[in-house]
Amino acid sequence: AQRVTQPEKLLSVFKGAPVELKCNYSYSGSPELFWYVQYSRQRLQLLLRHISRESIKGFTADLNKGETSFHLKKPFAQEEDSAMYYCALRDTSGTYKYIFGTGTRLKVLA
Amino acid sequence: DTGVSQNPRHKITKRGQNVTFRCDPISEHNRLYWYRQTLGQGPEFLTYFQNEAQLEKSRLLSDRFSAERPKGSFSTLEIQRTEQGDSAMYLCASRQTGDTIYFGEGSWLTVV
Repeated sequence: AQRVTQPEKLLSVFKGAPVELKCNYSYSGSPELFWYVQYSRQRLQLLLRHISRESIKGFTADLNKGETSFHLKKPFAQEEDSAMYYCALRDTSGTYKYIFGTGTRLKVLA
Repeated sequence: DTGVSQNPRHKITKRGQNVTFRCDPISEHNRLYWYRQTLGQGPEFLTYFQNEAQLEKSRLLSDRFSAERPKGSFSTLEIQRTEQGDSAMYLCASRQTGDTIYFGEGSWLTVV
């Protein structure tokens, strides 16, 4: 079954501390993984995708097929990083629909 | 704003009434998705259109739900005989071929 698991509902860290938001997936084909972010009162928006291997706002994520993980990391958290983060898997077998995890709320404390 | 537009943004309705939501995708996007999101959950896929053709429907989409995209541009999602369990945020997203999807701000439904 296709599934995305984000084990943490809430993650609180202090400003300047490292952040790691966990994401594990289950997919039988070749996965395409994404991280979406939702800031307060804003729409869901793409943060980064694994195929581009880029760093956005200091965040990076590496696809580990052996561990079926796509954890999101940032070395030094900022207060403006506080938001809901959703890991998503794109089903490449047909409609390219996205399958989302339940999300992790990141709170960066001053 | 040339992003995905949804309306109404909020709807409160009595149980048993019908409601309709509208989505206007980004103009050149030929693929359109509807998702539902409840508190504490991520968005759940409901249905997908490529141009005017509805190509996939989730099992979540009961027979009280119907979606259309009559001219391959805007789309509507209708819920008939609403139930309290239908209370959720209904999200629309669109994309062009091979591109990432872009979400609207969503339509909140509260069934009382």
